[in-house]
Amino acid sequence: SQQGEEDPQALSIQEGENATMNCSYKTSINNLQWYRQNSGRGLVHLILIRSNEREKHSGRLRVTLDTSKKSSSLLITASRAADTASYFCATDAAGGTSYGKLTFGQGTILTVHP
Amino acid sequence: ETGVTQSPTHLIKTRGQQVTLRCSSQSGHNTVSWYQQALGQGPQFIFQYYREEENGRGNFPPRFSGLQFPNYSSELNVNALELDDSALYLCASSLRLISTGELFFGEGSRLTVL
Repeated sequence: SQQGEEDPQALSIQEGENATMNCSYKTSINNLQWYRQNSGRGLVHLILIRSNEREKHSGRLRVTLDTSKKSSSLLITASRAADTASYFCATDAAGGTSYGKLTFGQGTILTVHP
Repeated sequence: ETGVTQSPTHLIKTRGQQVTLRCSSQSGHNTVSWYQQALGQGPQFIFQYYREEENGRGNFPPRFSGLQFPNYSSELNVNALELDDSALYLCASSLRLISTGELFFGEGSRLTVL
């Protein structure tokens, strides 16, 4: 079963607007990661935030983590048509022994209109 | 480009057949994980290999098996294929650390079972 739940399932915006995607999870984590997937191809890592961090930035990306609420958000500022893709959050469960095991949510489909 | 290559990119099989998917890890990575992604879903962890041994498995039956070779390349084998096995199979390589860091995904092998 999926640990992460992304919200919204789909998001449609105009170029230049900001896009915010949310993710909730169920168990304690070591870190939370966001990945992007273009049209059924491989996933590309965007950003990782550790459980002791609250906010992280990378270029036009801003990720927040609230471990008390077991939730995270990904903000993409000044979106571009090329940002159109599916975005997934993935958690690395704390206390796990399976390295390389990430639990993915079902994703948010982002469409940016030119 | 993640440096992870998968083959074949697409294949079609019939129920009951067997399939082998291959993955070449990024140089220097000693851990490989396999994920199954059904249409419209997030990836689900199948299993992970570290130094040629299985190290962690998701909720998949024994007919899903794997191998990792001394050069860290890997195979995923699925026996007695079922219609529900139709999916994108993703391989991801990484360096084994204390917790799961960034995974580097290949472009995937899309399996259709008829």
